[in-house]
Amino acid sequence: SYELTQPPSVSVSPGQTASITCSGDKLENKYTSWYQQKPGQSPVLVIYQDIKRPSAIPGRFSGSNSGNTATLTISGAQTMDEADYYCQAWDSSTHYVFGGGTKVTVL
Amino acid sequence: EVQLVESGGGLVQPGGSLRLSCVASGVTFSTYDMDWVRQAPGKGLERVSYISYSGAAIYYADSVKGRFTISRDNAKNSVYLQMNSLRAEDTAVYYCASVGYYSTDDWGQGTLVTVSS
Repeated sequence: SYELTQPPSVSVSPGQTASITCSGDKLENKYTSWYQQKPGQSPVLVIYQDIKRPSAIPGRFSGSNSGNTATLTISGAQTMDEADYYCQAWDSSTHYVFGGGTKVTVL
Repeated sequence: EVQLVESGGGLVQPGGSLRLSCVASGVTFSTYDMDWVRQAPGKGLERVSYISYSGAAIYYADSVKGRFTISRDNAKNSVYLQMNSLRAEDTAVYYCASVGYYSTDDWGQGTLVTVSS
């Protein structure tokens, strides 16, 4: 079965840039999405179809996907961005897998 | 944007059954594919089951195949997850979510299922 690998944790200073990676075989051939989950809350979609951002998501969130790695970038990270982030890769329009998640700490 | 509200979680003994429900509002529910996704305590997200907008296509994770059944009633704007032969490892928060175009767009608040004697 297809597997996605994320680093368990990423730390960033306020105002700096955080990059969260998601690795999988030939991942560039699949659409990836990213979800933010804060403690005690439901996941929220922050990036879809590799690079697109829902209208309610701040512009400091961006995505890319090339080769075997997709990346979620938070430019100018804020303390409110502290959360777990999950990548998701789609085999088709109906089948996908999640990565293991990355805890982002802003301090 | 779809508003989703789950119900039906609770404490059940190993081997027992539960039926989760998810009611949608704010959209034409019958046009949306739907997912159930779970999250065990302190763990990541796991897709449990999927049903297409018409109910014609259904998917189950290997971990629940043969024990869980997904269904929907478009007239009631609802999707269900019948869970039988529950195990301790099924303990999790269960979310229903709407499936978009290569994304899982909207999520409910989740319902906690605890399997314990």
